[in-house]
Amino acid sequence: NAGVTQTPKFRVLKTGQSMTLLCAQDMNHEYMYWYRQDPGMGLRLIHYSVGEGTTAKGEVPDGYNVSRLKKQNFLLGLESAAPSQTSVYFCASSQSTIGELFFGEGSRLTVL
Amino acid sequence: DQQVKQNSPSLSVQEGRISILNCDYTNSMFDYFLWYKKYPAEGPTFLISISSIKDKNEDGRFTVFLNKSAKHLSLHIVPSQPGDSAVYFCAASDSGGSNYKLTFGKGTLLTVNP
Repeated sequence: NAGVTQTPKFRVLKTGQSMTLLCAQDMNHEYMYWYRQDPGMGLRLIHYSVGEGTTAKGEVPDGYNVSRLKKQNFLLGLESAAPSQTSVYFCASSQSTIGELFFGEGSRLTVL
Repeated sequence: DQQVKQNSPSLSVQEGRISILNCDYTNSMFDYFLWYKKYPAEGPTFLISISSIKDKNEDGRFTVFLNKSAKHLSLHIVPSQPGDSAVYFCAASDSGGSNYKLTFGKGTLLTVNP
């Protein structure tokens, strides 16, 4: 049972490059989320989705775009990477808007 | 402005003893609280939650206490085990627990020594 899978696990980018993080869940969850975790800070919500074809902004959406073309996948894109986007990114999913979040293992992104 | 505060970055306890992790919040509209546990190189996992209509919720060795007047909650682990060594995040929501309204604390690193 894979749960929530994130790819890639690690990535190094140069400033200005673009990339996409892929999140896949096999639990048929409606809700999916992208968080970032920085040293000395809690998890902060970037974007989320309440169902296939929907996306919404979270607390720190600037510099990121997302898409939810398929129910099981939630993509996080960086259009023009900046050093401030160096972070660990976590994807999560949940069956309902309230209740347990299931997280992926995280993706460590470094922007030089 | 940090709405969910975990003022102790780290805590060390002996195996078998009680671990008490604390969390304070400033937003009086928060009505649902959760604790997540995170091991290195893994994603956080849900541990326990409590609604503001309760002041205590228990699940095995884990108990969460909520003091609404003090805007304070705590997680008690009894007895503590080495496998409990992890970072513990407190989280709060003001919409009956809506996940997209969750605010996380910075986390407390718990080390349980054998």
